[in-house]
Amino acid sequence: IAGITQAPTSQILAAGRRMTLRCTQDMRHNAMYWYRQDLGLGLRLIHYSNTAGTTGKGEVPDGYSVSRANTDDFPLTLASAVPSQTSVYFCASSPGLAGETGELFFGEGSRLTVL
Amino acid sequence: GQNIDQPTEMTATEGAIVQINCTYQTSGFNGLFWYQQHAGEAPTFLSYNVLDGLEEKGRFSSFLSRSKGYSYLLLKELQMKDSASYLCAVADSNYQLIWGAGTKLIIKP
Repeated sequence: IAGITQAPTSQILAAGRRMTLRCTQDMRHNAMYWYRQDLGLGLRLIHYSNTAGTTGKGEVPDGYSVSRANTDDFPLTLASAVPSQTSVYFCASSPGLAGETGELFFGEGSRLTVL
Repeated sequence: GQNIDQPTEMTATEGAIVQINCTYQTSGFNGLFWYQQHAGEAPTFLSYNVLDGLEEKGRFSSFLSRSKGYSYLLLKELQMKDSASYLCAVADSNYQLIWGAGTKLIIKP
């Protein structure tokens, strides 16, 4: 059982380049999320999708975009990477809204360094 | 604004008991969650409280007081594998999770 898979695991990227972080889940969960985690700060929500075909902005959406063409996939794109986007990115999913159903299931994370 | 506060770091001894506190101020409340995160790994779910009181699950218990905006996670019979960060999160009025910065728990032999 794969659960939720992210790729790449780690990436070094030159500033100004475009980058897409991939996220796939096989649990048929409706809701998916992208968080970034920085030292000394809590997980911060970038974008979310409550169901396939819909997306919403989280706390820190600037510089990022997402799409949700189907239930399983939720890619995160950095159109033109900047050093402040250096972070660990976590994709997560839940059967329904996270606060309603409780548990979020997280991918293993993607460590991105922008130089 | 929305705010979740928890201590940055705590140290405890193997076999002992430790209590990690979390206070919150959020726009609405739809539940409080605790997650465990080992270094370099993803967070994993520990507990969920939506009503006041204590929820016990093995060596871990979580308490909630909505009137005080307060929760704690109690870990008993500490083991070395409990060394990790413990994240407190609150679901706000839109069911979005607001996360604390996490408490790093160091267990000493």
